[in-house]
Amino acid sequence: DSGVTQTPKHLITATGQRVTLRCSPRSGDLSVYWYQQSLDQGLQFLIQYYNGEERAKGNILERFSAQQFPDLHSELNLSSLELGDSALYFCASSVVPTGGTDTQYFGPGTRLTVL
Amino acid sequence: DQQVKQNSPSLSVQEGRISILNCDYTNSMFDYFLWYKKYPAEGPTFLISISSIKDKNEDGRFTVFLNKSAKHLSLHIVPSQPGDSAVYFCAASVRYSGAGSYQLTFGKGTKLSVIP
Repeated sequence: DSGVTQTPKHLITATGQRVTLRCSPRSGDLSVYWYQQSLDQGLQFLIQYYNGEERAKGNILERFSAQQFPDLHSELNLSSLELGDSALYFCASSVVPTGGTDTQYFGPGTRLTVL
Repeated sequence: DQQVKQNSPSLSVQEGRISILNCDYTNSMFDYFLWYKKYPAEGPTFLISISSIKDKNEDGRFTVFLNKSAKHLSLHIVPSQPGDSAVYFCAASVRYSGAGSYQLTFGKGTKLSVIP
């Protein structure tokens, strides 16, 4: 158990809909990363939040957005869903020190199926 | 453009023997490398990491070797056990980017099967 929790575990929805994925980081971790794993693309970085502020953006679509709340949990919002958005979505957390190693610990993921 | 490549999609090894998983990278800015293990229906689990200032890091049965000139790293598992059967991902990041972000770039994984 990494200490990172994600809900829901599975989500089935229809095209055009909007969903929210939730992540709670490990105790003490200030940074949350979101990754998407699709069959053909592997694990791809989407976005990072650190202590409530957006820190970095990767290959995140404009239809997707995220936020990190004062209690440090994070939500990833996916809207106008398309079939191609079906994937595993992972959240990871880390301490993000000012130097030195920074290891990310992953949650169990949310499997999104868009029909 | 894949910056981190794991060219072997799968590997089969006999129990008790050595498993060697390979990873190549193209971005010379990468200075921190990690290996994750992933079982089906679970998130990636951190295994071992290495900084670019080292060429070897060992943790129990797991050793990671880094060859910076060749932009190549490998994970050795000795001895291999059936419980090691999983997908192994190589990942890389830029630690001192100045932006405080350590986003990981992943390879596509190698499925290791350890045969009893």
